[in-house]
Amino acid sequence: GAVVSQHPSWVICKSGTSVKIECRSLDFQATTMFWYRQFPKQSLMLMATSNEGSKATYEQGVEKDKFLINHASLTLSTLTVTSAHPEDSSFYICSAPLAGWDEKLFFGSGTQLSVL
Amino acid sequence: SQQGEEDPQALSIQEGENATMNCSYKTSINNLQWYRQNSGRGLVHLILIRSNEREKHSGRLRVTLDTSKKSSSLLITASRAADTASYFCATGQPGTYKYIFGTGTRLKVLA
Repeated sequence: GAVVSQHPSWVICKSGTSVKIECRSLDFQATTMFWYRQFPKQSLMLMATSNEGSKATYEQGVEKDKFLINHASLTLSTLTVTSAHPEDSSFYICSAPLAGWDEKLFFGSGTQLSVL
Repeated sequence: SQQGEEDPQALSIQEGENATMNCSYKTSINNLQWYRQNSGRGLVHLILIRSNEREKHSGRLRVTLDTSKKSSSLLITASRAADTASYFCATGQPGTYKYIFGTGTRLKVLA
């Protein structure tokens, strides 16, 4: 089956620093990827849709300058949390659809971000 | 919020019993999917049902969809301790690959 790799699995950083999270489709091309945020015992909230070769589409209430998304190739999307603060601590998950295969979403294993 | 709602929020059953989770949504959909998430991990796809389908089976899983009521249910039969996880429904938005996730049901199966 299709594999989406997300890295790192967890990261601890100081307040004010920036953190980059990578999402790679390993055996298929993904022109679209999705970034979600999940708080403990809560559901996934869609943050943005990453589009290869064009600007990301952000959901209402998500700060574009805070969460920078780059989708420079057909297999890689990155999410950069800029000037991270403790309230940005969360579980971030990416996903990618495999076009033409029942539109299933394949998920990365997630990144737990803790901002001190 | 467009987010779907699931009930119950939490469910605790004995091994061997059946578990039923319900999902309600607000907008029109092209399909509905169920996912499973073990604690602190990514999501695993379980089953997809299209808007023109009413019922689907996969192993011990049975999913129903009622588009008139904007609701779906997931039935896990003969549950096992390994089924302990959170289960989410996700509705596919027409014309996009975008999915809106439900609030989730935390299932605990006691051995």
